[in-house]
Amino acid sequence: QSALTQPPSVSGSPGQSVTLSCTGASSDVVSYNRVSWYQQSPGTAPKVIIYEVSHRPSGVPDRFSGSQSGDTASLTISGLQAEDEAEYYCSSYTSSSVHVFGPGTKVTVL
Amino acid sequence: QVQLQESGPGLVKPSQTLSLTCTVSGVSIISDGYYWTLIRQHPGKGLEWIGFIYYNGVTYYNPSLKSRLIISVDTSRNQFSLELNSVTAADTAVYYCARTSKGEGGSAWFFDNWGQGTLVTVSS
Repeated sequence: QSALTQPPSVSGSPGQSVTLSCTGASSDVVSYNRVSWYQQSPGTAPKVIIYEVSHRPSGVPDRFSGSQSGDTASLTISGLQAEDEAEYYCSSYTSSSVHVFGPGTKVTVL
Repeated sequence: QVQLQESGPGLVKPSQTLSLTCTVSGVSIISDGYYWTLIRQHPGKGLEWIGFIYYNGVTYYNPSLKSRLIISVDTSRNQFSLELNSVTAADTAVYYCARTSKGEGGSAWFFDNWGQGTLVTVSS
């Protein structure tokens, strides 16, 4: 049982917005802006798209945004595009520096 | 730019030791502020953090693997390495080298650079 919970799948049509959630089993895991998000397309390594809850690395389109409320972090993809179809993982860590990943959410573009 | 490259045997026999080396280029492994990281992904499954090491040798391990795990660093070669002993089929996975760093906000760690990954199969 993961310390982070994600829905298995989310889908949307091109141009729509989808929101993925990531809920921590304890406040220690999702506190202090620790949540980051990774996009993984089939056969490729994961790539960071959001860190510190809401920061985007350079080169990541601004249609990706992150937020957090309480023990739940969220990733929103606005203006969904075909290339956004991928697996998305959230990650965080405890105060003991043990890092964990959520089980992943498969985003399907209809 | 920063690049990480995994190398090692693609096939390991059960009960033996899985050894993997990560070669870092584009940045010195003794640069301050980075942890050198190993992450794995079982076939068709999610990501699992294995552990990481600072250039001075300080390590943090996944508690579920700690008893079988050693991560070491070779600063002269700009490399870090994984040894996982007593492997079973459950250790079959794609193993990734990655870098853990803090972003501009400076408040939290995340995995900002990844290698392409290498499949290690445990089988007799």
